[in-house]
Amino acid sequence: QVQLQESGPGLVKPSETLSLTCTVSGYSISSVYHWGWIRQPPGKGLEWIGSISHSGSGYCNPSLKSRVTTSVDTSKNQFSLKLSSVTAADTAVYYCAAYSTGWFDPWGQGTLVIVSS
Amino acid sequence: QSALTQPPSASGSPGQSVTISCTGTSSDVGGYNYVSWYQQHPGKAPKLMIYEVNKRPSGVPDRFSGSKSGNTASLTVSGIQAEDEADYYCSSYAGSNNFVFGGGTKLTVL
Repeated sequence: QVQLQESGPGLVKPSETLSLTCTVSGYSISSVYHWGWIRQPPGKGLEWIGSISHSGSGYCNPSLKSRVTTSVDTSKNQFSLKLSSVTAADTAVYYCAAYSTGWFDPWGQGTLVIVSS
Repeated sequence: QSALTQPPSASGSPGQSVTISCTGTSSDVGGYNYVSWYQQHPGKAPKLMIYEVNKRPSGVPDRFSGSKSGNTASLTVSGIQAEDEADYYCSSYAGSNNFVFGGGTKLTVL
């Protein structure tokens, strides 16, 4: 059974870089799945951030493209997200999830990241 | 890419059927059979309810069903129950490794 768990700082200062890691258990990250990041601002809807293949090929939301970096660490069975130059608008619950063509399942429990000085 | 359009709210009495729409374009919903639906209870992570327009993952009750016509997809909950009260989000593959979500619909069981 695949399980995912996000980790990272809960508070990031404006203009700095948000860094999150998703640890996958019960499944090898090197296998067939791709892996994704989704966020949800407080009281708002879901927004796809980006996804990355098991081989490390990444792709992301065009609206965030210049600020997003994704990576995979197969030795730790983890994948990561970096979002640069954050502002208050980046305050959200960040979820990681396994991605098959067209859908995300399962999801991690989510982690709240607040951007504030 | 723009978010898919969902009604902000829907409601029904226990036992009734409710349908939630999700409207996109020919570049996303209309162009691919990769529409999925997610249920989210307050404070919880989204849960996949429907994938590839009308397929149910194991464990999802068969009262949940999906369909698509043109650029609009729909989620129908037949015989709604109290535990179905939640937010529902549609999503679609949008080509070129892009993905888009709908704005979400709050389902209230009266």
